[in-house]
Amino acid sequence: GAGVSQSPSNKVTEKGKDVELRCDPISGHTALYWYRQSLGQGLEFLIYFQGNSAPDKSGLPSDRFSAERTGGSVSTLTIQRTQQEDSAVYLCASSFFFQGGSVDGELFFGEGSRLTVL
Amino acid sequence: DAKTTQPTSMDCAEGRAANLPCNHSTISGNEYVYWYRQIHSQGPQYIIHGLKNNETNEMASLIITEDRKSSTLILPHATLRDTAVYYCIVRGVNSGGSNYKLTFGKGTLLTVNP
Repeated sequence: GAGVSQSPSNKVTEKGKDVELRCDPISGHTALYWYRQSLGQGLEFLIYFQGNSAPDKSGLPSDRFSAERTGGSVSTLTIQRTQQEDSAVYLCASSFFFQGGSVDGELFFGEGSRLTVL
Repeated sequence: DAKTTQPTSMDCAEGRAANLPCNHSTISGNEYVYWYRQIHSQGPQYIIHGLKNNETNEMASLIITEDRKSSTLILPHATLRDTAVYYCIVRGVNSGGSNYKLTFGKGTLLTVNP
């Protein structure tokens, strides 16, 4: 499809295990975002990639969280030594480079990856 | 970022107009008002945005008060599929700083009833 694709859609893991979540952005979008949504909560910004610029990692909650974006396209969010409080829906979004006010800066979100840590 | 205030929940009858308010009293002159919605178990979806003039598209209308301290999102003929959480977000107009980032609050849960 033409939208943002995320995998897996659901992941159940045991406390202490590492997990990887994948995001395929819309072709041509240079900006990529990761957000987290815990049960009943709003969306929490995690990280932002734009082209070859250094990513904005200001939202990552701990050093157990990391993300990379290879070739300016696919991104992987990695959570090491998962904890129960990491349980959430992880949402990826992509957009054209935000040039200020333009609708081209609209974020397109994927369906999310639901992570459950037992 | 300027903060927004929205009611926690609202109800609307199917076929009627849904008017969702948002207060953003600390908005600055170079900040847009954006609206997104999130249908259950889906990612958020862009609806509309505006600076100071009223805006309309195929999904909704956005009415911004003259002082820009509040706005209303209008769904003219709500359907059951419009049941969702609606987020009002303020975002800087310039490409610099961290204006690329959208800061989501709790939003308004709109329930459209048959």
